[in-house]
Amino acid sequence: KNQVEQSPQSLIILEGKNCTLQCNYTVSPFSNLRWYKQDTGRGPVSLTIMTFSENTKSNGRYTATLDADTKQSSLHITASQLSDSASYICVVSDRGSTLGRLYFGRGTQLTVWP
Amino acid sequence: EADIYQTPRYLVIGTGKKITLECSQTMGHDKMYWYQQDPGMELHLIHYSYGVNSTEKGDLSSESTVSRIRTEHFPLTLESARPSHTSQYLCASSDPGQGSSYEQYFGPGTRLTVT
Repeated sequence: KNQVEQSPQSLIILEGKNCTLQCNYTVSPFSNLRWYKQDTGRGPVSLTIMTFSENTKSNGRYTATLDADTKQSSLHITASQLSDSASYICVVSDRGSTLGRLYFGRGTQLTVWP
Repeated sequence: EADIYQTPRYLVIGTGKKITLECSQTMGHDKMYWYQQDPGMELHLIHYSYGVNSTEKGDLSSESTVSRIRTEHFPLTLESARPSHTSQYLCASSDPGQGSSYEQYFGPGTRLTVT
């Protein structure tokens, strides 16, 4: 069964600190992995997309890594800001259909305190 | 910020009412999607469309229906709302991209509460 599991479920950190969010998946055949940021009451916004051949990608203070062999990904946030408080969703796409089916994790709820 | 819009943003309605959630995008995307999301849970695909006059059901069974008469417009209708329909509904569209590495853009969502 194709699944995406994220940990931790929630995380509280102080402003300025770094943190790492984890994603494990069993989706096959794998096409790409995305990280989205979803603010409360808003739609998800894409942070990074990585294909099989990419093992790291950065977007400002966000750095995603991918290990396609172990089917694990992480999202590292550097020097956190209050505006980083949001849910971070890991999404994996398969290549078994024209649609490019997306499998969503439940997200990690990050809270940054001043 | 993506050019995809949803109205209303919040809706509280009584059981048995017919409702239509609006979604429109100005990016000219052929593919559009509706997702349902409960608090703390993952997004579930309920409908998608490859283009005008094309609609398909997603993975999560839904009593809602959709239509795609114009490229930019993808409304979702519930003929008779029930409390079990209470949820957040997210609309999305995607660009052609490279194979399945397409970028998917989400609207702000409609928070529906059925009393």
